[in-house]
Amino acid sequence: DTEVTQTPKHLVMGMTNKKSLKCEQHMGHRAMYWYKQKAKKPPELMFVYSYEKLSINESVPSRFSPECPNSSLLNLHLHALQPEDSALYLCASSQASGPYNEQFFGPGTRLTVL
Amino acid sequence: RKEVEQDPGPFNVPEGATVAFNCTYSNSASQSFFWYRQDCRKEPKLLMSVYSSGNEDGRFTAQLNRASQYISLLIRDSKLSDSATYLCVVNKGSNYQLIWGAGTKLIIKP
Repeated sequence: DTEVTQTPKHLVMGMTNKKSLKCEQHMGHRAMYWYKQKAKKPPELMFVYSYEKLSINESVPSRFSPECPNSSLLNLHLHALQPEDSALYLCASSQASGPYNEQFFGPGTRLTVL
Repeated sequence: RKEVEQDPGPFNVPEGATVAFNCTYSNSASQSFFWYRQDCRKEPKLLMSVYSSGNEDGRFTAQLNRASQYISLLIRDSKLSDSATYLCVVNKGSNYQLIWGAGTKLIIKP
C-alpha cells in the first residue's frame, strides 16, 4: 500500500474555478514533489520542496501555486487553468536531499479542465 | 540525443519467458538509477534502485554499466502481472532531479 495519499482522485473544473490538490505522506520524508503526467508520457517535474521550503520551480505557470504547510503536507492551488492543463498530477516524497534518495508516488489526481 | 533513451516497445512476450530491456543515459555525472513500473492510469511504483554495478530482487535483475552508460533490467519467468510500462530513471547528478525515460511497454501473453 502506498504511504503517500492524494485527494481528490478525480477533479473536473472550469477555466474560471479555483481548486486545490492535496497530498500527505506518512513516511517522515523531508522532500516532496509535484509532477504532471500526460498520457503516454513520463512524469514532468513541477516543484520540489525540501524541509518545507520551495527549492525547485521548473518554470511552471503562475496559475499553479504550491504550498507546503508542514513536512507531511503538500498542496497545489489551481486557478484559471487551461484545457491543456488536463493531466494526472502526481505527488511524491523522498527521504532526504542528495542523489540517492528514492521517490515514492501517491496515486495521483486526474484533472480535467473544461 | 535524449538524456535517457529506452526502446518504447511494445515487447510481446509469452508467459514464463525471460525478457530484458536496456536504457542508455547521457549524463556521466549521474550517480543513482532506478527502474519504475507503471500500470495504465496508475502511479509509477519503484521496482529497483541501482547504485553500484547491479541489484537483484527475486525474478528481477538490474545491471549498470557506467563505462557504456547503460542500465538493463532482466525479468525471468515472466508473469501476466508483469505487463506494464517500465520507466528507466536517472538522477541528474544534483539534488532531487530525476530524468525519466519515455518507458518500455511490456505485454505478457498467456
